[in-house]
Amino acid sequence: GQQLNQSPQSMFIQEGEDVSMNCTSSSIFNTWLWYKQDPGEGPVLLIALYKAGELTSNGRLTAQFGITRKDSFLNISASIPSDVGIYFCAGRSGGTSYGKLTFGQGTILTVHP
Amino acid sequence: GAVVSQHPSRVICKSGTSVKIECRSLDFQATTMFWYRQFPKQSLMLMATSNEGSKATYEQGVEKDKFLINHASLTLSTLTVTSAHPEDSSFYICSRGQQGVEQFFGPGTRLTVL
Repeated sequence: GQQLNQSPQSMFIQEGEDVSMNCTSSSIFNTWLWYKQDPGEGPVLLIALYKAGELTSNGRLTAQFGITRKDSFLNISASIPSDVGIYFCAGRSGGTSYGKLTFGQGTILTVHP
Repeated sequence: GAVVSQHPSRVICKSGTSVKIECRSLDFQATTMFWYRQFPKQSLMLMATSNEGSKATYEQGVEKDKFLINHASLTLSTLTVTSAHPEDSSFYICSRGQQGVEQFFGPGTRLTVL
């Protein structure tokens, strides 16, 4: 089946630093999504990408859909303590929003004040 | 406000008992809902896709007789873990599928089987 490799597995940074994480796949995806999950909660959508090469921002977050359609990255600028959580990438190979998602392993982000 | 709710948020049960988890779409009639399982410090794994009025589609390796899914109405899908065992202890999360909108996840249900 499809697999997503997400890295790094965890990050420990100081408040104010920038963060970068990425996902790669052995197969092509038509949609890349980035979610954040707080402890004991469900994931919350941060950014959705639908076109190869697309670069999208949401506040301090920026994500890109790789040209090959097999990778994506998420950057967080000027991190703050509330950025703490687990970040997941997810890919979808189907063409509709009903299609199944494949999730990466997650990146655990810790921000020291 | 929340658009997908789950009940209960936490449940502790004895081994061998069955547990039902409800997933409700609060603001939209959802013909498709998804059920995921997440073990500690691991990713979300899709268990099944629930379609209103029809049988659920289970992912490979998920026992359909153990994890019963019912999607009898456009706003409610239920997951019943039958004869639960400690290895079924996990975080169960549902999401709502909607035309033109990405999946919206519920808050999850923490199941602990003693």
